[in-house]
Amino acid sequence: DGGITQSPKYLFRKEGQNVTLSCEQNLNHDAMYWYRQDPGQGLRLIYYSQIVNDFQKGDIAEGYSVSREKKESFPLTVTSAQKNPTAFYLCASSIGRGIYGYTFGSGTRLTVV
Amino acid sequence: GNSVTQMEGPVTLSEEAFLTINCTYTATGYPSLFWYVQYPGEGLQLLLKATKADDKGSNKGFEATYRKETTSFHLEKGSVQVSDSAVYFCALRRTGNQFYFGTGTSLTVIP
Repeated sequence: DGGITQSPKYLFRKEGQNVTLSCEQNLNHDAMYWYRQDPGQGLRLIYYSQIVNDFQKGDIAEGYSVSREKKESFPLTVTSAQKNPTAFYLCASSIGRGIYGYTFGSGTRLTVV
Repeated sequence: GNSVTQMEGPVTLSEEAFLTINCTYTATGYPSLFWYVQYPGEGLQLLLKATKADDKGSNKGFEATYRKETTSFHLEKGSVQVSDSAVYFCALRRTGNQFYFGTGTSLTVIP
């Protein structure tokens, strides 16, 4: 079955370390997205990519970086510059510009210890 | 600007009760509107959508009608079940990639 796979489901990071969250899709979708979810704040867009080797900053890109070397993959790196990284991170993808909606992965919960 | 406002939660209902979750939006032009559902520890799943005024989206007994005159897209279900317990997100999509999500409304259905 086609879908989006995020790994790991739970991730613990020490302060000052970078960590990379994986997102892979086999839906042949063009666009991919990273959202951060905090309690009571809904979803906030971190980065998105419409095509390979191109990506755009979202509303809260500071302290994060991404790459899009393959259509199927859109990893997110949470750097030590991100002041409050503990959150639930959701990856999504869409056909074209998302007119039919997004398909979401099951998320990665990152905790800084 | 573009934004979505959902009713505050949490909402607690008894099984078989009627559900309404209010959603209003602010947007220029003619956005598409969506409802997503998130079960505990999972990502969001598309529940239903409507792309133009007066469209009704429906799925799994849930319905929502795109009302341009009141800029609303309220989610309704006639008889909720325990399995409907989840967080529900209203969202709009303007031209281009970006979606705007509401803050979510938590629903708990008790037997």
